[in-house]
Amino acid sequence: EDQVTQSPEALRLQEGESSSLNCSYTVSGLRGLFWYRQDPGKGPEFLFTLYSAGEEKEKERLKATLTKKESFLHITAPKPEDSATYLCAVPPYNTDKLIFGTGTRLQVFP
Amino acid sequence: DTEVTQTPKHLVMGMTNKKSLKCEQHMGHRAMYWYKQKAKKPPELMFVYSYEKLSINESVPSRFSPECPNSSLLNLHLHALQPEDSALYLCASSQGLQGGQPQHFGDGTRLSIL
Repeated sequence: EDQVTQSPEALRLQEGESSSLNCSYTVSGLRGLFWYRQDPGKGPEFLFTLYSAGEEKEKERLKATLTKKESFLHITAPKPEDSATYLCAVPPYNTDKLIFGTGTRLQVFP
Repeated sequence: DTEVTQTPKHLVMGMTNKKSLKCEQHMGHRAMYWYKQKAKKPPELMFVYSYEKLSINESVPSRFSPECPNSSLLNLHLHALQPEDSALYLCASSQGLQGGQPQHFGDGTRLSIL
C-alpha cells in the first residue's frame, strides 16, 4: 500500500540550531517526491521536487535529499521565519492524486 | 504571491444556504484539484479535474458540487452543509502528477458553517 510517514510530528529549535526532518515513503514507481511549506491559514507553498535517489535540491537554509526509501529536509541555522508546517507528498503510480504525510510542525525560537 | 487565486478568503454560511467557492489559475495547467483541510491535518483530496473533465471524486457527499467552466476556472458549489464541513478549502493546479509535475496551491477559503 502506498504510504508516506513524516517525523518528528513537532520540532522546536533554537535559532541557529540545525536539524533534519524525515519523510519515509512506500510507493510503486516513484515519479517525484514533493516538499511543501505551509504557514497557518495559508495554502501549501511548493518548495522542491526530487525525482531519483541521490538527488539534492537547495533553497536558502533548506536542503532536500532523497534515498530509495526516504527523504530528508535539512534546515541549516534556522531563523524564526522558518517556523511552519513542512509537508512531503508523493503521487501513486498512474494517478493524479497526492499522498501527503501528516507534516512536521517546526517552531524556531529567537 | 500565489499563482492560484481563491475567492472568497473567508465564508460564513448557515446550513440552509447555497454558496460557491471560486478558483482561478493562469499557468496553463491541465489539472485542477479541490482539497479540504482540517486543523493540524494534511490536505484531503476531494475532486480532480483533468482537461476540464471530472476524473476523480473521492466519494464526496453530494452537498459539494464541483464545476470546471474552462481550463482556468474551478468552482465548488455548496448546499446544505453540516457543521463538520467547516474547514480550509484549498484549490490546486498542476501540469500533471503523472509527469512528476508538482501541484501549486492557492491560499484557500476558510469556511465556517453555523
